[in-house]
Amino acid sequence: NAGVTQTPKFRILKIGQSMTLQCTQDMNHNYMYWYRQDPGMGLKLIYYSVGAGITDKGEVPNGYNVSRSTTEDFPLRLELAAPSQTSVYFCATPQGELFFGEGSRLTVL
Amino acid sequence: GIQVEQSPPDLILQEGANSTLRCNFSDSVNNLQWFHQNPWGQLINLFYIPSGTKQNGRLSATTVATERYSLLYISSSQTTDSGVYFCAALGGSQGNLIFGKGTKLSVKP
Repeated sequence: NAGVTQTPKFRILKIGQSMTLQCTQDMNHNYMYWYRQDPGMGLKLIYYSVGAGITDKGEVPNGYNVSRSTTEDFPLRLELAAPSQTSVYFCATPQGELFFGEGSRLTVL
Repeated sequence: GIQVEQSPPDLILQEGANSTLRCNFSDSVNNLQWFHQNPWGQLINLFYIPSGTKQNGRLSATTVATERYSLLYISSSQTTDSGVYFCAALGGSQGNLIFGKGTKLSVKP
Protein backbone atom coordinates (compact mmCIF):
# COMPACT_ATOMS: atom_id res chain seq x y z
CA ASN A 1 0.00 0.00 0.00
CA ALA A 2 1.96 3.01 -1.29
CA GLY A 3 -0.62 5.70 -0.42
CA VAL A 4 -0.03 8.73 -2.64
CA THR A 5 2.81 8.55 -5.15
CA GLN A 6 4.12 11.57 -7.03
CA THR A 7 6.60 11.67 -9.88
CA PRO A 8 9.02 13.17 -10.62
CA LYS A 9 10.49 14.32 -7.32
CA PHE A 10 12.63 16.98 -8.97
CA ARG A 11 12.54 18.66 -12.38
CA ILE A 12 14.13 21.66 -14.03
CA LEU A 13 12.31 23.19 -16.98
CA LYS A 14 13.11 25.95 -19.41
CA ILE A 15 10.60 28.76 -19.91
CA GLY A 16 7.92 27.69 -22.37
CA GLN A 17 8.44 23.96 -21.96
CA SER A 18 5.57 21.70 -20.93
CA MET A 19 5.45 18.79 -18.53
CA THR A 20 3.10 16.61 -16.52
CA LEU A 21 3.34 15.88 -12.82
CA GLN A 22 1.96 12.45 -12.09
CA CYS A 23 -0.06 11.53 -9.00
CA THR A 24 -1.40 8.09 -8.19
CA GLN A 25 -3.26 6.88 -5.12
CA ASP A 26 -4.09 3.31 -4.20
CA MET A 27 -6.64 4.09 -1.49
CA ASN A 28 -9.65 4.22 -3.84
CA HIS A 29 -10.49 7.73 -2.65
CA ASN A 30 -12.79 9.92 -4.69
CA TYR A 31 -11.31 13.29 -3.76
CA MET A 32 -7.86 14.31 -4.98
CA TYR A 33 -6.10 17.65 -4.79
CA TRP A 34 -3.11 19.46 -6.24
CA TYR A 35 -1.45 22.10 -4.09
CA ARG A 36 1.58 24.30 -4.64
CA GLN A 37 3.83 25.62 -1.91
CA ASP A 38 6.00 28.63 -2.54
CA PRO A 39 9.04 29.27 -0.31
CA GLY A 40 8.05 30.30 3.21
CA MET A 41 4.36 30.03 2.45
CA GLY A 42 1.46 27.71 3.12
CA LEU A 43 -0.15 25.49 0.52
CA LYS A 44 -2.51 26.87 -2.11
CA LEU A 45 -5.02 24.73 -3.98
CA ILE A 46 -4.52 24.56 -7.75
CA TYR A 47 -7.15 22.04 -8.85
CA TYR A 48 -9.20 19.35 -7.24
CA SER A 49 -11.34 16.42 -8.28
CA VAL A 50 -14.30 14.83 -6.52
CA GLY A 51 -14.23 11.70 -8.66
CA ALA A 52 -13.32 10.25 -12.03
CA GLY A 53 -14.32 12.60 -14.83
CA ILE A 54 -14.90 15.58 -12.52
CA THR A 55 -12.38 18.36 -11.92
CA ASP A 56 -12.64 21.93 -10.71
CA LYS A 57 -10.46 24.96 -10.18
CA GLY A 58 -8.96 25.87 -6.86
CA GLU A 59 -7.44 29.13 -5.73
CA VAL A 60 -4.54 29.35 -8.23
CA PRO A 61 -5.45 27.39 -11.41
CA ASN A 62 -3.95 29.67 -14.07
CA GLY A 63 -1.23 28.01 -16.12
CA TYR A 64 -2.28 24.47 -15.19
CA ASN A 65 -4.60 21.77 -16.45
CA VAL A 66 -5.74 18.50 -14.91
CA SER A 67 -7.61 15.39 -15.90
CA ARG A 68 -9.15 12.54 -13.95
CA SER A 69 -9.82 9.60 -16.23
CA THR A 70 -9.50 7.04 -13.43
CA THR A 71 -9.98 7.05 -9.66
CA GLU A 72 -6.30 6.33 -9.14
CA ASP A 73 -4.64 9.00 -11.30
CA PHE A 74 -4.77 12.78 -11.20
CA PRO A 75 -2.04 14.28 -13.42
CA LEU A 76 -1.23 18.00 -13.38
CA ARG A 77 -0.04 19.55 -16.64
CA LEU A 78 1.95 22.72 -17.18
CA GLU A 79 1.59 23.79 -20.81
CA LEU A 80 3.94 26.79 -21.03
CA ALA A 81 6.20 26.82 -18.01
CA ALA A 82 6.92 30.22 -16.46
CA PRO A 83 9.36 31.20 -13.67
CA SER A 84 6.34 31.97 -11.45
CA GLN A 85 5.56 28.26 -11.48
CA THR A 86 8.77 27.45 -9.65
CA SER A 87 7.40 25.78 -6.55
CA VAL A 88 6.93 22.53 -4.69
CA TYR A 89 3.83 20.66 -5.78
CA PHE A 90 1.90 18.32 -3.53
CA CYS A 91 -0.80 15.88 -4.46
CA ALA A 92 -3.19 14.80 -1.73
CA THR A 93 -6.24 12.70 -1.08
CA PRO A 94 -8.51 12.74 1.97
CA GLN A 95 -10.46 10.24 3.92
CA GLY A 96 -11.14 12.19 7.04
CA GLU A 97 -7.56 13.33 7.31
CA LEU A 98 -5.53 14.39 4.31
CA PHE A 99 -2.77 12.16 2.95
CA PHE A 100 0.01 13.88 0.99
CA GLY A 101 2.50 12.65 -1.54
CA GLU A 102 6.16 13.47 -0.95
CA GLY A 103 6.11 16.47 -3.25
CA SER A 104 7.60 17.42 -6.61
CA ARG A 105 10.10 20.27 -6.66
CA LEU A 106 9.89 22.15 -9.96
CA THR A 107 12.27 24.89 -11.08
CA VAL A 108 11.60 26.95 -14.20
CA LEU A 109 14.60 28.82 -15.57
CA GLY B 1 -14.29 31.47 1.65
CA ILE B 2 -12.95 30.39 4.97
CA GLN B 3 -9.88 32.18 6.33
CA VAL B 4 -7.26 30.44 8.46
CA GLU B 5 -4.79 32.43 10.55
CA GLN B 6 -1.93 31.01 12.58
CA SER B 7 0.12 32.55 15.33
CA PRO B 8 2.88 33.15 16.06
CA PRO B 9 4.52 33.15 12.62
CA ASP B 10 7.91 32.31 14.13
CA LEU B 11 8.91 30.70 17.40
CA ILE B 12 12.34 29.96 18.83
CA LEU B 13 12.57 27.63 21.82
CA GLN B 14 15.25 26.14 23.96
CA GLU B 15 15.19 22.36 24.05
CA GLY B 16 12.90 21.16 26.83
CA ALA B 17 10.57 24.16 26.72
CA ASN B 18 6.81 23.96 26.12
CA SER B 19 4.87 25.90 23.50
CA THR B 20 1.37 26.60 22.25
CA LEU B 21 0.53 27.28 18.62
CA ARG B 22 -2.78 28.84 17.70
CA CYS B 23 -5.05 28.52 14.67
CA ASN B 24 -8.08 30.76 14.18
CA PHE B 25 -10.64 30.12 11.48
CA SER B 26 -13.33 32.43 10.21
CA ASP B 27 -16.27 30.08 9.76
CA SER B 28 -17.67 26.76 10.85
CA VAL B 29 -15.48 23.86 9.82
CA ASN B 30 -16.13 20.21 9.17
CA ASN B 31 -12.52 19.24 9.48
CA LEU B 32 -9.41 20.67 11.03
CA GLN B 33 -5.96 19.19 10.76
CA TRP B 34 -2.49 19.96 12.05
CA PHE B 35 0.57 19.08 9.99
CA HIS B 36 4.30 19.23 10.57
CA GLN B 37 6.53 19.99 7.63
CA ASN B 38 10.00 18.79 8.44
CA PRO B 39 13.18 20.45 7.15
CA TRP B 40 13.16 18.02 4.21
CA GLY B 41 9.76 19.27 3.08
CA GLN B 42 7.68 16.25 4.01
CA LEU B 43 4.18 16.96 5.29
CA ILE B 44 3.29 14.77 8.24
CA ASN B 45 -0.19 14.43 9.66
CA LEU B 46 -0.27 15.26 13.35
CA PHE B 47 -3.94 15.48 14.24
CA TYR B 48 -7.31 15.26 12.59
CA ILE B 49 -9.33 17.23 15.12
CA PRO B 50 -12.58 18.95 14.07
CA SER B 51 -13.47 19.24 17.76
CA GLY B 52 -12.33 18.12 21.18
CA THR B 53 -8.89 17.18 22.44
CA LYS B 54 -6.38 14.57 21.32
CA GLN B 55 -2.95 13.61 22.55
CA ASN B 56 -0.08 11.82 20.91
CA GLY B 57 3.01 11.58 23.06
CA ARG B 58 4.41 15.05 23.73
CA LEU B 59 1.93 16.65 21.35
CA SER B 60 -1.71 17.42 21.99
CA ALA B 61 -4.35 19.48 20.24
CA THR B 62 -7.64 21.06 21.19
CA THR B 63 -10.27 22.47 18.86
CA VAL B 64 -13.09 24.61 20.17
CA ALA B 65 -15.30 24.70 17.08
CA THR B 66 -17.90 27.03 18.60
CA GLU B 67 -15.20 29.65 19.23
CA ARG B 68 -13.41 28.96 15.94
CA TYR B 69 -9.93 28.15 17.13
CA SER B 70 -7.57 25.25 17.61
CA LEU B 71 -4.43 24.95 19.71
CA LEU B 72 -1.42 22.69 19.28
CA TYR B 73 0.64 22.03 22.42
CA ILE B 74 4.21 20.83 22.26
CA SER B 75 5.72 19.80 25.57
CA SER B 76 9.40 19.15 26.37
CA SER B 77 10.39 20.26 22.89
CA GLN B 78 13.22 18.51 21.06
CA THR B 79 15.39 19.67 18.18
CA THR B 80 13.56 17.20 15.94
CA ASP B 81 10.38 19.22 16.50
CA SER B 82 11.83 22.00 14.36
CA GLY B 83 10.05 22.80 11.13
CA VAL B 84 6.82 24.46 10.10
CA TYR B 85 3.48 23.63 11.66
CA PHE B 86 0.41 24.11 9.49
CA CYS B 87 -3.20 24.24 10.44
CA ALA B 88 -5.74 23.47 7.70
CA ALA B 89 -9.50 23.74 7.82
CA LEU B 90 -12.21 22.29 5.65
CA GLY B 91 -15.02 24.66 4.90
CA GLY B 92 -17.33 25.63 2.10
CA SER B 93 -19.02 23.32 -0.34
CA GLN B 94 -16.04 22.17 -2.38
CA GLY B 95 -14.41 19.99 0.22
CA ASN B 96 -10.93 21.48 -0.05
CA LEU B 97 -8.71 22.21 2.93
CA ILE B 98 -7.60 25.81 3.38
CA PHE B 99 -4.13 26.19 4.88
CA GLY B 100 -2.80 28.81 7.20
CA LYS B 101 0.63 30.32 6.54
CA GLY B 102 2.23 28.21 9.23
CA THR B 103 4.30 28.67 12.38
CA LYS B 104 8.01 28.18 11.89
CA LEU B 105 9.45 26.52 14.99
CA SER B 106 13.16 26.37 15.75
CA VAL B 107 14.24 24.35 18.77
CA LYS B 108 17.80 25.09 19.88
CA PRO B 109 19.92 22.51 21.76
